[in-house]
Amino acid sequence: EIVMTQSPATLSVSPGERATLSCRASQSVSSNLAWYQQKPGQAPRLLIYGASTRATGIPARFSGSGSGTEFTLTISSLQSEDFAVYYCQQYNNWPQTFGGGTKVEIK
Amino acid sequence: EVQLVESGGVVVQPGGSLRLSCAASGFTFDDYTMHWVRQAPGKGLEWVSLISWDGGSTYYADSVKGRFTISRDNSKNSLYLQMNSLRTEDTALYYCAKASGPQQHGWFDPWGQGTLVTVSS
Repeated sequence: EIVMTQSPATLSVSPGERATLSCRASQSVSSNLAWYQQKPGQAPRLLIYGASTRATGIPARFSGSGSGTEFTLTISSLQSEDFAVYYCQQYNNWPQTFGGGTKVEIK
Repeated sequence: EVQLVESGGVVVQPGGSLRLSCAASGFTFDDYTMHWVRQAPGKGLEWVSLISWDGGSTYYADSVKGRFTISRDNSKNSLYLQMNSLRTEDTALYYCAKASGPQQHGWFDPWGQGTLVTVSS
């Protein structure tokens, strides 16, 4: 099973600042990686798939990059509605696995 | 609009059984693989099971293999999860999620709102 490790566990950012979230796979997952956002009391929402393709309706301030074992989700200018928990998921190998999440909180 | 609505979550005793349902609408249900994913209180996401578009292939996480059974009724646009021999560690919010296509590997979009299963004596 591929282990997905997200860092940091918590990221404190001021509104308007850039946030950079990392996700590392224990072995290569090519570009078969997705990012999700989860707000309190809500289901996860797909942000990015294929490591860098924004899902329908996702603002351009969200961008994904990376391949192989190292991936990054960048939020270019944090808005109030972006404070949430973010998860990465690999779907290259069986079983599909999630990272432990990064909580983005208001500084 | 694609919608997934789960139901069936309750409080159940250890060793008990439960069946979860997920009603799908807004898309051609039998074109897609479907998944169950769970989230224990205050914890991260754990993939549980998937079923292929035609029900011909099913897969399970090791943690539930032999105890849970996934099924679907394409005539009713519905997904199910039969949960037997429940353990306290099965306590979680259970989400159904639509796969990205008929293939078994892919991302999940969208997710339902979840149904809470609590296993407690």
